[in-house]
Amino acid sequence: EAGVAQSPRYKIIEKRQSVAFWCNPISGHATLYWYQQILGQGPKLLIQFQNNGVVDDSQLPKDRFSAERLKGVDSTLKIQPAKLEDSAVYLCASSLDLLAGGAEQYFGPGTRLTVT
Amino acid sequence: GNSVTQMEGPVTLSEEAFLTINCTYTATGYPSLFWYVQYPGEGLQLLLKATKADDKGSNKGFEATYRKETTSFHLEKGSVQVSDSAVYFCALSAANTGGFKTIFGAGTRLFVKA
Repeated sequence: EAGVAQSPRYKIIEKRQSVAFWCNPISGHATLYWYQQILGQGPKLLIQFQNNGVVDDSQLPKDRFSAERLKGVDSTLKIQPAKLEDSAVYLCASSLDLLAGGAEQYFGPGTRLTVT
Repeated sequence: GNSVTQMEGPVTLSEEAFLTINCTYTATGYPSLFWYVQYPGEGLQLLLKATKADDKGSNKGFEATYRKETTSFHLEKGSVQVSDSAVYFCALSAANTGGFKTIFGAGTRLFVKA
């Protein structure tokens, strides 16, 4: 079974530039998550989708971050414009069903973003 | 709101030593509890979980028991190996509008010396 795929793996941009990350979840997984992991901290949820609908985006900085999940499969996360404090690893995860509280999340390798 | 607190690292142990990583949580209702592990150069992966009080999750020699009375989910292993060197994250999943939301602790880095 193929895992969660993310690209690119690394990205270096200057502040005020824009960047986009792509995620392809495990086939058949209805729920997709984007997390931000700053060095030395645990993952912080940015947004979660159930199929192609947004379930929770309460911690997404909507003035600069946007995300979409067209057709309920793969997803993109965009930052525009980037700030220095956006330097972090962006993790994508998927699970079978958000409505199962004990559901395991499967994580991709992450995209390490450096904003200079 | 819901939160997870785990012991700060790094934790450095010799091979075959006993490991405990403390984790406590704050949550309304009855969350599910998890330990995820991140090995060097790899993504996070589930190590074990427990979905109700007094449940014990176990995997690869690691164990954790869901203690509702102390709101804890401490990770233990009787004899660590060098290959256990990684960052360990405690997490909870609790009911939220529209489904369940997962909150992670800050992580505890473990170094095991040969």
